[in-house]
Amino acid sequence: RKEVEQDPGPFNVPEGATVAFNCTYSNSASQSFFWYRQDCRKEPKLLMSVYSSGNEDGRFTAQLNRASQYISLLIRDSKLSDSATYLCVVNSHSGSARQLTFGSGTQLTVLP
Amino acid sequence: DAGVIQSPRHEVTEMGQEVTLRCKPISGHNSLFWYRQTMMRGLELLIYFNNNVPIDDSGMPEDRFSAKMPNASFSTLKIQPSEPRDSAVYFCASSLNVGGFGYTFGSGTRLTVV
Repeated sequence: RKEVEQDPGPFNVPEGATVAFNCTYSNSASQSFFWYRQDCRKEPKLLMSVYSSGNEDGRFTAQLNRASQYISLLIRDSKLSDSATYLCVVNSHSGSARQLTFGSGTQLTVLP
Repeated sequence: DAGVIQSPRHEVTEMGQEVTLRCKPISGHNSLFWYRQTMMRGLELLIYFNNNVPIDDSGMPEDRFSAKMPNASFSTLKIQPSEPRDSAVYFCASSLNVGGFGYTFGSGTRLTVV
């Protein structure tokens, strides 16, 4: 089983739609969670951290369910510029190393 | 802040040649990571440095790959000899090794081995 699993998509949604991505992680000891965004042929960029109580940044809402080991990202009123691959990222500890484990990403295309 | 700087942006080389990728992390960041990204395998961590010391190189695919960090502002990833299956985008990332901060990635080096 992969440490971080995401639905690869693609998700094709019209402008203005609400879309949600889900992610599950296998390491119950994981402590930090993030969503990254990667545009085509570009580097991944941090979109937002995910906090236990859930958090919102404009049109983006992230949720964490530790009991189910599940993370979500909700995008409201989607824009054409939201088209990208969204990577679910989990902090796992290996001995004294601090590493981020990246999911394979969910591809989103927002259509005009 | 110039961000994480990688060079070259693109590299095309023949099988068997040596390839050296370079990275300058963000000033003040004390952790540096080398990743490889392919369509088939996604983002894979190759090696991780903390305070210039290699901590975990378990992701390095084989002995043909080596990485160094001679000082806090420079790291290299070397492939010798290169093979077509090494073709990928190689990203360098740096972070503050405190709390749960995410990583800042460089723009990547797109390597093609023919």
